[in-house]
Amino acid sequence: QSALTQPPSASGSPGQSVTISCTGTSSDVGGYNYVSWYLQYPGKAPKLMIYEVSKRPSGVPDRFSGSKSGNTASLTVSGLQAEDEADYYCTSYAGSVGGVIFGGGTKLTVL
Amino acid sequence: QLQLQESGPGLVKPSETLSLTCTVSGGSISSTGYYWAWIRQPPGKGLEWIGSIYYKGSTYYNPSLKSRVTISVDTSKNQFSLNLDSVTAADTAVYFCARRAMAAAELDYWGQGTLVTVS
Repeated sequence: QSALTQPPSASGSPGQSVTISCTGTSSDVGGYNYVSWYLQYPGKAPKLMIYEVSKRPSGVPDRFSGSKSGNTASLTVSGLQAEDEADYYCTSYAGSVGGVIFGGGTKLTVL
Repeated sequence: QLQLQESGPGLVKPSETLSLTCTVSGGSISSTGYYWAWIRQPPGKGLEWIGSIYYKGSTYYNPSLKSRVTISVDTSKNQFSLNLDSVTAADTAVYFCARRAMAAAELDYWGQGTLVTVS
């Protein structure tokens, strides 16, 4: 069970858009529409931002959007704000044996 | 509003067993459609799935930890627990409990996390 692959870092200026990728295999990301994205501030618990590839929980701004193509899922943050600076993690369901797999995390910096 | 709170020793000796409990409030651990999960994060590193349990007792563990992990549930106390055997310094981490949707596997409610140091 290997971790999903995320870029270690991403950055953008306020107002810009940034996209973070999450690459897995046909056994996880590509096999199910069950990709989630989490935002984590230092010293805090992760917060669910996207589930089922592209759905937003109540209260999450529509600046956050998700998509998937093949074995790669993506999180796009539009209209970057200073408060978006955080670590972002993707997860995917990997079947009844694999359970849930996390990505390695991406540190988003707002320049 | 559902709340989860981890509790347990913050320091464990090598080769011993790490034991943590997650207390759920504001909702029932016996709710259908959800698993209850443990996740950990070593200092400065990423998140790692440990495993999860359904209120009826069925469990799912990370294959890499399966030989050392036991997750149990006590519905009368609205709690679920983690035991990790034969710990080493590599098990030092912040341990989070969370609620996991059964179908889509998202983790929608999290505890604040508790740091466990193996030393």
